[in-house]
Amino acid sequence: KQEVTQIPAALSVPEGENLVLNCSFTDSAIYNLQWFRQDPGKGLTSLLLIQSSQREQTSGRLNASLDKSSGRSTLYIAASQPGDSATYLCAVLTGGATNKLIFGTGTLLAVQP
Amino acid sequence: DGGITQSPKYLFRKEGQNVTLSCEQNLNHDAMYWYRQDPGQGLRLIYYSQIVNDFQKGDIAEGYSVSREKKESFPLTVTSAQKNPTAFYLCASKGAHSSGANVLTFGAGSRLTVL
Repeated sequence: KQEVTQIPAALSVPEGENLVLNCSFTDSAIYNLQWFRQDPGKGLTSLLLIQSSQREQTSGRLNASLDKSSGRSTLYIAASQPGDSATYLCAVLTGGATNKLIFGTGTLLAVQP
Repeated sequence: DGGITQSPKYLFRKEGQNVTLSCEQNLNHDAMYWYRQDPGQGLRLIYYSQIVNDFQKGDIAEGYSVSREKKESFPLTVTSAQKNPTAFYLCASKGAHSSGANVLTFGAGSRLTVL
């Protein structure tokens, strides 16, 4: 059974710092991995998607990497800003007929001005 | 603008009552999903539908029911059989990304509180 874990559960950094969020998964047989952002009381916004054949994806100050063999992904945020404060969730799309998206529990990020 | 609309945003229910959460999408996506989010537990899949008139149970379907009579709509009913219904409910649909992959697009969520 696929399990997705995110470490740390919460993170507080001063504005301007570069930071890394971690996501690990137990079954390497995935189709893709997505990183989402969730603001309090809101839905999820997709940030980056990495196909299983890819190593990384970049969007602005965000860079996501994927090491499928070791079951790990990282989300790198450069030059963090207070507006980056949110919960960040990773999710893996499993194989088979169901194509289920399995979510991690998220990392709550606070960027202090 | 294309997107997913969930309503109501907030809902209060008395014990023993059934309630229905609405989810409508105009993205022309075939697949739609309902997730439940509880603090510290991430998102858990309740039901999903790959195509109109077909749906499948997710990991925590007990106490819930759905229908998929139209492509655009996937309502979720929280029945009185659901023992702990207070939660944040998220609807999503799946469609093509610019990379060719299928990605989920989420609604803004509905928060259900049982009094």
